[in-house]
Amino acid sequence: NAGVMQNPRHLVRRRGQEARLRCSPMKGHSHVYWYRQLPEEGLKFMVYLQKENIIDESGMPKERFSAEFPKEGPSILRIQQVVRGDSAAYFCASSPGGPETQYFGPGTRLLVL
Amino acid sequence: GDSVTQMEGPVTLSEEAFLTINCTYTATGYPSLFWYVQYPGEGLQLLLKATKADDKGSNKGFEATYRKETTSFHLEKGSVQVSDSAVYFCALPRNSGNTPLVFGKGTRLSVIA
Repeated sequence: NAGVMQNPRHLVRRRGQEARLRCSPMKGHSHVYWYRQLPEEGLKFMVYLQKENIIDESGMPKERFSAEFPKEGPSILRIQQVVRGDSAAYFCASSPGGPETQYFGPGTRLLVL
Repeated sequence: GDSVTQMEGPVTLSEEAFLTINCTYTATGYPSLFWYVQYPGEGLQLLLKATKADDKGSNKGFEATYRKETTSFHLEKGSVQVSDSAVYFCALPRNSGNTPLVFGKGTRLSVIA
């Protein structure tokens, strides 16, 4: 059973470009969480999704950021018009639902030049 | 809201030394408590967890006991190895049930031979 997969592992963008980060949850998991880790800091929650639904986006910046988890395919975190402050590691986690352990992917490290 | 306060690092120990990383929490009710470990350049891996008061989680020689009376979940290991060098995060669910995790800021551990 493959773990949580994220791609790309590293992404370099210039200011003003768009960044698309992908997350494929573990098989059988229908709950996906996105977290952001700034340098030398802990993880901060961004958004929680189930298939085709956003359950909680209270940690997501109101502008430029969006997320989806379609019926088919991976979850996507999209950042429009990136700025240098968006440079961070973005982690996806999945769980089967209920009060179960979340399993993390390897992360996407975004660098905005 | 629920929160975690974690001992700040960095912590540097010699091989075979005893390790304690303190973690205290503030929560409504009695949530599950987790320790995650992040090796350099990688995502977070679940190290251990405890789901109710007085439970002891253990894995790879690490232990942590869920102490309701002191609202603590300190991580301990009797004899650390160089391969234990990593960042350790204490975490709990933000609310009861299947919710995003709230993380401490992380404690960087370096073990020298």
